[in-house]
Amino acid sequence: NAGVMQNPRHLVRRRGQEARLRCSPMKGHSHVYWYRQLPEEGLKFMVYLQKENIIDESGMPKERFSAEFPKEGPSILRIQQVVRGDSAAYFCASSLGTDNSPLHFGNGTRLTVT
Amino acid sequence: QQPVQSPQAVILREGEDAVINCSSSKALYSVHWYRQKHGEAPVFLMILLKGGEQKGHEKISASFNEKKQQSSLYLTASQLSYSGTYFCGAKFLNYGGSQGNLIFGKGTKLSVKP
Repeated sequence: NAGVMQNPRHLVRRRGQEARLRCSPMKGHSHVYWYRQLPEEGLKFMVYLQKENIIDESGMPKERFSAEFPKEGPSILRIQQVVRGDSAAYFCASSLGTDNSPLHFGNGTRLTVT
Repeated sequence: QQPVQSPQAVILREGEDAVINCSSSKALYSVHWYRQKHGEAPVFLMILLKGGEQKGHEKISASFNEKKQQSSLYLTASQLSYSGTYFCGAKFLNYGGSQGNLIFGKGTKLSVKP
């Protein structure tokens, strides 16, 4: 039973390029969360999605960042025109969406902007 | 609205006990506890729902004090494998149910020495 799959594990982009991070939730999970983590820091909430819907994007910067979770396929976090400050680990988690269901995290994508 | 964790860091000898606290200024619906080892994904430990309860997971247990809007994680007879950063995640009360998204505290770094 595959867990949450994120790819790529490591991504290097030059300033100004686009970064696309993918997340396939656990089988049967229809809720996806994206978090950003800087070294030695906590998990900062970015966006919470259900299939084809953004439930809460209050943690996501208004510019350059977007997220989607289509009916078919993985959830995508897209960062346009990356800057050095975007370098971080980006974790995706999925859940069943009920109040007492835990989040299952993927191994993260480490984004480095050069 | 980020929950506040204390202490920020703890150093223990094997076999010693520790308590990590997580408090909120906003009404809590549930509290999740996760442990993250360096370079790895956060791993789910337990969920506590409002109503005040206590749960256990081997020698790790937790309580939820609804009156104080606080949860505490208890680690007894610590083992080397307990080392890592512990995060509490809060779902807040909203119109009788939860808001859905999970907001994490900044984490408590636990180091267990032989």
